[in-house]
Amino acid sequence: QQQVKQSPQSLIVQKGGISIINCAYENTAFDYFPWYQQFPGKGPALLIAIRPDVSEKKEGRFTISFNKSAKQFSLHIMDSQPGDSATYFCAASKGAQKLVFGQGTRLTINP
Amino acid sequence: EAGVAQSPRYKIIEKRQSVAFWCNPISGHATLYWYQQILGQGPKLLIQFQNNGVVDDSQLPKDRFSAERLKGVDSTLKIQPAKLEDSAVYLCASSLGLGAEGRGTQYFGPGTRLLVL
Repeated sequence: QQQVKQSPQSLIVQKGGISIINCAYENTAFDYFPWYQQFPGKGPALLIAIRPDVSEKKEGRFTISFNKSAKQFSLHIMDSQPGDSATYFCAASKGAQKLVFGQGTRLTINP
Repeated sequence: EAGVAQSPRYKIIEKRQSVAFWCNPISGHATLYWYQQILGQGPKLLIQFQNNGVVDDSQLPKDRFSAERLKGVDSTLKIQPAKLEDSAVYLCASSLGLGAEGRGTQYFGPGTRLLVL
Protein backbone atom coordinates (compact mmCIF):
# COMPACT_ATOMS: atom_id res chain seq x y z
CA GLN A 1 0.00 0.00 0.00
CA GLN A 2 3.06 2.20 0.24
CA GLN A 3 3.88 1.77 -3.46
CA VAL A 4 3.70 4.39 -6.16
CA LYS A 5 3.49 2.89 -9.65
CA GLN A 6 4.90 4.94 -12.52
CA SER A 7 4.58 4.52 -16.28
CA PRO A 8 5.98 4.38 -18.86
CA GLN A 9 9.53 3.24 -17.99
CA SER A 10 10.88 5.12 -20.99
CA LEU A 11 9.45 7.70 -23.36
CA ILE A 12 10.67 9.26 -26.58
CA VAL A 13 9.06 12.52 -27.73
CA GLN A 14 9.82 14.82 -30.59
CA LYS A 15 10.95 18.36 -29.86
CA GLY A 16 7.91 20.59 -29.40
CA GLY A 17 5.65 17.69 -28.46
CA ILE A 18 3.88 16.92 -25.19
CA SER A 19 5.45 14.46 -22.76
CA ILE A 20 3.06 12.68 -20.39
CA ILE A 21 4.10 10.53 -17.43
CA ASN A 22 1.59 8.81 -15.18
CA CYS A 23 1.59 7.65 -11.57
CA ALA A 24 -0.85 5.74 -9.42
CA TYR A 25 -0.95 5.25 -5.67
CA GLU A 26 -2.89 3.13 -3.18
CA ASN A 27 -2.52 4.90 0.15
CA THR A 28 -5.33 7.46 0.43
CA ALA A 29 -3.51 9.05 3.37
CA PHE A 30 -0.88 10.50 1.02
CA ASP A 31 -1.28 14.27 0.93
CA TYR A 32 1.73 15.55 -1.00
CA PHE A 33 2.72 14.57 -4.55
CA PRO A 34 5.98 15.96 -5.93
CA TRP A 35 7.77 15.31 -9.21
CA TYR A 36 11.56 15.16 -9.31
CA GLN A 37 13.88 15.53 -12.30
CA GLN A 38 17.23 13.74 -12.33
CA PHE A 39 20.09 14.21 -14.80
CA PRO A 40 22.87 11.61 -15.11
CA GLY A 41 25.37 11.91 -12.27
CA LYS A 42 23.18 14.32 -10.33
CA GLY A 43 20.75 13.98 -7.45
CA PRO A 44 17.01 14.42 -8.02
CA ALA A 45 15.74 18.02 -8.03
CA LEU A 46 12.20 19.08 -7.15
CA LEU A 47 10.33 20.11 -10.29
CA ILE A 48 6.75 20.72 -9.20
CA ALA A 49 4.40 19.43 -6.49
CA ILE A 50 0.68 19.28 -5.77
CA ARG A 51 -1.60 18.65 -2.82
CA PRO A 52 -4.86 16.65 -3.25
CA ASP A 53 -7.15 19.63 -2.70
CA VAL A 54 -6.46 20.91 -6.23
CA SER A 55 -6.87 19.09 -9.54
CA GLU A 56 -4.18 20.86 -11.52
CA LYS A 57 -1.05 22.93 -10.98
CA LYS A 58 0.94 24.62 -13.69
CA GLU A 59 4.43 26.07 -13.58
CA GLY A 60 5.73 27.24 -16.92
CA ARG A 61 5.74 24.29 -19.33
CA PHE A 62 5.14 21.77 -16.54
CA THR A 63 1.66 20.79 -15.35
CA ILE A 64 0.52 18.26 -12.77
CA SER A 65 -2.96 16.82 -13.19
CA PHE A 66 -4.42 15.11 -10.12
CA ASN A 67 -7.40 12.73 -9.99
CA LYS A 68 -8.19 11.99 -6.35
CA SER A 69 -11.00 9.51 -7.03
CA ALA A 70 -8.82 7.45 -9.40
CA LYS A 71 -5.76 7.84 -7.14
CA GLN A 72 -3.71 8.94 -10.12
CA PHE A 73 -1.59 11.93 -11.02
CA SER A 74 0.38 12.84 -14.08
CA LEU A 75 3.09 15.19 -15.31
CA HIS A 76 2.66 16.99 -18.62
CA ILE A 77 5.59 18.74 -20.24
CA MET A 78 4.43 21.07 -22.98
CA ASP A 79 6.66 22.10 -25.89
CA SER A 80 9.23 19.49 -24.84
CA GLN A 81 12.86 20.48 -25.41
CA PRO A 82 16.08 18.43 -25.71
CA GLY A 83 17.16 19.92 -22.36
CA ASP A 84 14.19 18.17 -20.75
CA SER A 85 15.81 14.80 -21.46
CA ALA A 86 16.25 13.28 -18.01
CA THR A 87 14.75 10.72 -15.66
CA TYR A 88 11.55 11.82 -13.93
CA PHE A 89 10.29 10.42 -10.64
CA CYS A 90 6.91 10.87 -9.09
CA ALA A 91 6.65 10.56 -5.32
CA ALA A 92 4.12 10.71 -2.53
CA SER A 93 4.17 11.30 1.19
CA LYS A 94 1.87 11.63 4.16
CA GLY A 95 2.56 14.68 6.22
CA ALA A 96 6.09 14.65 7.52
CA GLN A 97 6.70 11.01 6.63
CA LYS A 98 9.18 9.76 4.09
CA LEU A 99 8.77 10.24 0.35
CA VAL A 100 7.82 7.08 -1.55
CA PHE A 101 9.21 7.26 -5.07
CA GLY A 102 7.98 5.70 -8.30
CA GLN A 103 10.30 3.62 -10.48
CA GLY A 104 11.21 6.50 -12.77
CA THR A 105 10.68 7.38 -16.44
CA ARG A 106 13.59 7.97 -18.75
CA LEU A 107 12.51 10.76 -21.09
CA THR A 108 14.32 11.43 -24.36
CA ILE A 109 13.44 14.46 -26.48
CA ASN A 110 14.57 14.09 -30.06
CA PRO A 111 15.66 17.32 -31.77
CA GLU B 1 23.78 29.02 -1.20
CA ALA B 2 25.90 25.87 -1.32
CA GLY B 3 24.08 22.63 -1.97
CA VAL B 4 24.29 19.26 -0.26
CA ALA B 5 27.85 17.93 -0.43
CA GLN B 6 28.72 14.24 -0.55
CA SER B 7 31.97 12.32 -0.70
CA PRO B 8 33.38 10.25 -2.15
CA ARG B 9 31.60 10.43 -5.50
CA TYR B 10 32.63 6.89 -6.47
CA LYS B 11 33.76 3.85 -4.50
CA ILE B 12 34.66 0.33 -5.59
CA ILE B 13 35.11 -2.33 -2.90
CA GLU B 14 35.04 -6.08 -2.63
CA LYS B 15 32.26 -7.91 -0.83
CA ARG B 16 32.69 -8.23 2.92
CA GLN B 17 34.72 -5.01 3.04
CA SER B 18 33.47 -1.93 4.84
CA VAL B 19 32.77 1.50 3.39
CA ALA B 20 31.67 4.90 4.69
CA PHE B 21 29.98 7.82 3.02
CA TRP B 22 29.93 11.41 4.20
CA CYS B 23 27.27 14.09 3.80
CA ASN B 24 27.27 17.80 4.59
CA PRO B 25 23.74 19.23 4.35
CA ILE B 26 22.71 22.74 3.40
CA SER B 27 23.53 25.14 6.22
CA GLY B 28 20.67 25.47 8.66
CA HIS B 29 18.81 22.38 7.50
CA ALA B 30 17.68 20.40 10.52
CA THR B 31 16.45 17.31 8.68
CA LEU B 32 18.80 14.94 6.87
CA TYR B 33 17.93 11.88 4.81
CA TRP B 34 19.93 8.99 3.36
CA TYR B 35 18.44 7.21 0.34
CA GLN B 36 19.56 4.15 -1.61
CA GLN B 37 18.95 4.26 -5.36
CA ILE B 38 19.47 0.97 -7.16
CA LEU B 39 19.98 1.24 -10.93
CA GLY B 40 16.65 1.61 -12.70
CA GLN B 41 14.68 2.27 -9.52
CA GLY B 42 13.52 5.25 -7.52
CA PRO B 43 15.30 6.30 -4.33
CA LYS B 44 14.40 4.40 -1.17
CA LEU B 45 14.72 6.05 2.22
CA LEU B 46 17.21 4.35 4.53
CA ILE B 47 17.22 6.75 7.47
CA GLN B 48 15.91 10.20 8.41
CA PHE B 49 17.42 12.45 11.08
CA GLN B 50 15.88 15.46 12.77
CA ASN B 51 18.90 17.35 14.16
CA ASN B 52 20.90 14.47 15.65
CA GLY B 53 17.93 12.23 16.47
CA VAL B 54 16.58 9.42 14.28
CA VAL B 55 13.04 9.97 12.97
CA ASP B 56 12.71 6.90 10.73
CA ASP B 57 15.11 4.01 10.18
CA SER B 58 12.52 1.36 9.42
CA GLN B 59 14.12 0.42 6.07
CA LEU B 60 17.74 0.47 7.23
CA PRO B 61 19.32 -3.04 7.23
CA LYS B 62 20.64 -2.63 10.74
CA ASP B 63 22.72 -5.80 10.69
CA ARG B 64 25.14 -4.16 8.24
CA PHE B 65 24.21 -0.49 7.86
CA SER B 66 24.71 2.24 10.42
CA ALA B 67 24.42 6.01 10.33
CA GLU B 68 25.12 8.85 12.65
CA ARG B 69 24.70 12.58 12.69
CA LEU B 70 26.86 13.95 15.43
CA LYS B 71 26.23 17.58 16.44
CA GLY B 72 23.22 17.66 14.12
CA VAL B 73 25.16 18.75 11.04
CA ASP B 74 27.34 16.31 9.02
CA SER B 75 26.37 12.68 8.73
CA THR B 76 28.10 9.42 7.86
CA LEU B 77 26.56 6.23 6.52
CA LYS B 78 28.53 3.01 6.95
CA ILE B 79 28.16 -0.46 5.46
CA GLN B 80 29.95 -3.33 7.16
CA PRO B 81 30.27 -5.89 5.67
CA ALA B 82 29.18 -4.98 2.14
CA LYS B 83 27.25 -7.39 -0.08
CA LEU B 84 26.96 -7.48 -3.85
CA GLU B 85 23.36 -6.23 -3.64
CA ASP B 86 24.54 -3.03 -1.91
CA SER B 87 25.79 -1.75 -5.27
CA ALA B 88 23.79 1.44 -5.73
CA VAL B 89 23.92 5.22 -5.55
CA TYR B 90 23.64 6.54 -2.01
CA LEU B 91 21.92 9.91 -1.95
CA CYS B 92 21.89 12.38 0.89
CA ALA B 93 19.18 15.02 1.11
CA SER B 94 18.34 17.77 3.56
CA SER B 95 15.41 20.02 4.37
CA LEU B 96 14.78 22.94 6.70
CA GLY B 97 12.56 20.79 8.87
CA LEU B 98 9.80 18.26 8.86
CA GLY B 99 6.73 18.70 6.71
CA ALA B 100 5.67 17.78 3.22
CA GLU B 101 6.36 21.09 1.52
CA GLY B 102 7.95 24.42 2.28
CA ARG B 103 10.12 23.58 5.24
CA GLY B 104 10.05 19.91 4.25
CA THR B 105 11.20 20.33 0.63
CA GLN B 106 14.11 17.97 0.16
CA TYR B 107 17.31 19.02 -1.62
CA PHE B 108 19.51 16.19 -2.85
CA GLY B 109 23.26 15.89 -3.15
CA PRO B 110 24.97 14.34 -6.21
CA GLY B 111 25.24 10.93 -4.55
CA THR B 112 27.97 8.35 -4.03
CA ARG B 113 28.07 5.55 -6.57
CA LEU B 114 29.09 2.28 -4.86
CA LEU B 115 30.15 -0.83 -6.73
CA VAL B 116 30.64 -4.01 -4.71
CA LEU B 117 32.62 -6.72 -6.52
